[in-house]
Order: sequence, then structure tokens, then C-alpha cells
Amino acid sequence: EPEVTQTPSHQVTQMGQEVILRCVPISNHLYFYWYRQILGQKVEFLVSFYNNEISEKSEIFDDQFSVERPDGSNFTLKIRSTKLEDSAMYFCASSEGQATNYGYTFGSGTRLTVV
Amino acid sequence: KNEVEQSPQNLTAQEGEFITINCSYSVGISALHWLQQHPGGGIVSLFMLSSGKKKHGRLIATINIQEKHSSLHITASHPRDSAVYICAVSRPGNQFYFGTGTSLTVIP
Repeated sequence: EPEVTQTPSHQVTQMGQEVILRCVPISNHLYFYWYRQILGQKVEFLVSFYNNEISEKSEIFDDQFSVERPDGSNFTLKIRSTKLEDSAMYFCASSEGQATNYGYTFGSGTRLTVV
Repeated sequence: KNEVEQSPQNLTAQEGEFITINCSYSVGISALHWLQQHPGGGIVSLFMLSSGKKKHGRLIATINIQEKHSSLHITASHPRDSAVYICAVSRPGNQFYFGTGTSLTVIP
């Protein structure tokens, strides 16, 4: 069964450093998403991406965050200057069409720890 | 303010019991999603529905659009069903709101 692949599974970074979280969506999917889950809290939507541009983003997705699809297969989330409160599990997801109609497939997540 | 509320927060059941998890939402939605999060953290999409009822194996999901309420039922529960079950709603424009999850433990 096709999978959404995320790397690394766990990343530790120093506060203030830049991190890039990587995702390989399912190959025929067109919509891509990033979510985060702070330990013990609910999943939160960050951003959706379609046709090489952001289609929707939440209040959390401020100027320190950016997304990119650099090569047609990878979908990346960059956090420019990490803060302690960015420590969370970050999930990538993809869907064939708009998730409101097609549902979506999640990756297994990247646990980011900012120290 | 929580756009999506789930109940109960925690649920313990004996193997074989019929389980119901409830979800209420306060916003207009395009679809409602039920997700399963395993102890390791991975998330699996179980159902997406915008009306009526869907069934997959021992899992049944229903939604009442007028009452803004959905239920997830598990028949003949099994210890491998132990997980966190998350209700999420999607709105036009791909905005999503998530519930806080229901932690289910099924005891053999």
C-alpha cells in the first residue's frame, strides 16, 4: 500500500537553528499538508499546499515557517529559527484531491526536540 | 474555544464490548474525519464522511449534519483497537480542526 514517508523520525536541534523536515508524499497525490502535535495536546493544522503554492495556512504558520516542493517528489517544512515551543511531532499528509472529498494519508511523523 | 469536542476523553473496555466515541462540532464543515493514532504516534485515517454512515470491518462511523454530531462505533472490541481516536473536521479551503482525542484501552 502506498505510504507517505517522513525523515528523519527524530531530530534534536539547538534553539535558534534552522531545521528542515522532509516528506515524500504518495506519488499521484496533488495536495500536501503539514500538521503538528505538541506532546499531550491535540493535532493542529499548519499548512496545505497545492499546485506549488500554499492554499491555506493557520495562525501558527508564521514567518518562521516555510514549505517547498523542490523536486517534484519531496515536500519540505523549514523552520528558520527554532524555539523551544516548536518541540512537537510534525506530521505530513497527502491526498489525491481536496481532502474534503478524498481523505488523506499521513506519514509516521518527525519528532522535533528543540534544546 | 474548541471547534471540535470529543467524549469521553478516556475509555476502558473489556474485550468484546461495543464501544461508542462521540464527536460534536460547532462550525460548518465540508467533511468529518475519524483518525486513529497508535501509541508510537503514527496516524491512520479511518473514515471521511459528509453524510450518513460508513462501515469498515468492525468500525462504523455515523454523522448527523443537522445536529453537528458524529459517532464512531467499534463492535467486538479487541486489545489491538487500543489507541487514541481523533475526530477532525475539514472546512472549505482545506482548513482543519481537530478534537483532543479519545484514549481507548481494551483489556483482554
